[in-house]
Amino acid sequence: SAVISQKPSRDICQRGTSLTIQCQVDSQVTMMFWYRQQPGQSLTLIATANQGSEATYESGFVIDKFPISRPNLTFSTLTVSNMSPEDSSIYLCSVGTGGFEETQYFGPGTRLLVL
Amino acid sequence: AQSVAQPEDQVNVAEGNPLTVKCTYSVSGNPYLFWYVQYPNRGLQFLLKYITGDNLVKGSYGFEAEFNKSQTSFHLKKPSALVSDSALYFCAVRAPNQAGTALIFGKGTTLSVSS
Repeated sequence: SAVISQKPSRDICQRGTSLTIQCQVDSQVTMMFWYRQQPGQSLTLIATANQGSEATYESGFVIDKFPISRPNLTFSTLTVSNMSPEDSSIYLCSVGTGGFEETQYFGPGTRLLVL
Repeated sequence: AQSVAQPEDQVNVAEGNPLTVKCTYSVSGNPYLFWYVQYPNRGLQFLLKYITGDNLVKGSYGFEAEFNKSQTSFHLKKPSALVSDSALYFCAVRAPNQAGTALIFGKGTTLSVSS
């Protein structure tokens, strides 16, 4: 299994500001995924990040609001831009082990509160 | 379109009793099915998965799940519950034979084990 770390683990931010979340993996992976878990809700995919190409965003999520970088095979960042209280969520990074039967492993999450 | 349903928001069970957390799915073709657990203030931890083969899958912490194709179900079970099993459990599905695709999650079921 992959060991995934995220920074920061939690933050409290003011509306209108931006926060960049980092995700670091202990091994090289092709695909990385960013999910959002709103309070009391399930996980929703924000985007899929493949190294060397633009991230692919799910319906309802746009690059201007959630820009993603994927500079190498072990690292990715997600920025939450121009934040509002509705962005208060847990943001989770996930990676797959590769192959058709892959398992996805998740980072510990970043707990964001926007005031 | 793929979907997962967890019909129970909460399951209550006494310590030492068997537990079942229900999951049904809808997917074209043979599904890839997963169970994850989320402890308070923690990320998601992988418990087990069904890809193919034996319908009874054994996973971490003594959990197992039974794949039932005719009922399109993948219920999570444990013969004897522990208080430490109290957590939020997510069932997830992924389209078969598609590496690098994201998981579709159910809404989650809170398991409460009383002593």
